Amino acid sequence: AQKVTQAQTEISVVEKEDVTLDCVYETRDTTYYLFWYKQPPSGELVFLIRRNSFDEQNEISGRYSWNFQKSTSSFNFTITASQVVDSAVYFCALSEAGAGKSTFGDGTTLTVKP
Amino acid sequence: EAGVAQSPRYKIIEKRQSVAFWCNPISGHATLYWYQQILGQGPKLLIQFQNNGVVDDSQLPKDRFSAERLKGVDSTLKIQPAKLEDSAVYLCASSLLTYEQYFGPGTRLTVT
Repeated sequence: AQKVTQAQTEISVVEKEDVTLDCVYETRDTTYYLFWYKQPPSGELVFLIRRNSFDEQNEISGRYSWNFQKSTSSFNFTITASQVVDSAVYFCALSEAGAGKSTFGDGTTLTVKP
Repeated sequence: EAGVAQSPRYKIIEKRQSVAFWCNPISGHATLYWYQQILGQGPKLLIQFQNNGVVDDSQLPKDRFSAERLKGVDSTLKIQPAKLEDSAVYLCASSLLTYEQYFGPGTRLTVT
């Protein structure tokens, strides 16, 4: 069975601070995909990044970076120099390869204060 | 490119009534998902279609929920009869195989 755990329910930071959102997953599959989604106050989930299980290379996109470690089954997300617009609920998700099932974590609510 | 469309955006019904939600995925996306998102929780997968076939409906309460995807494009999700605990946002998403999912704006259902 698949499981995604986001242990941090809520995080509050002051603008310009760096913040890391944790994600730990469980799966029996050897091939799978990991995702991060952002759900701003407007409500619509927005895709941020996808990672394949066979590609552990970390990725940076602007102020966002992702650290994938298969050894610890973690896929953490760091926002550098946070901004008020980063305030949202962030979800980590896991998907089996092929036409497999998708599982979401319960999300981390990030509040960035000015 | 048009995104995932859903309607209605909001619906208020009384318990034991029926309700239907509609979803039009992104053109060319073979996989369509229906999720239930209760306040404070992550989306919970109700049903996943690959074209017009069901891939996973293990968490769909089949005694009251049903879904179909005719011709492998549009999809409807129905609840009959509704219960108070069905109050949630119902999200539709689509994707190419199991790659990143693109979500619609959701339908907020309130059951009174």
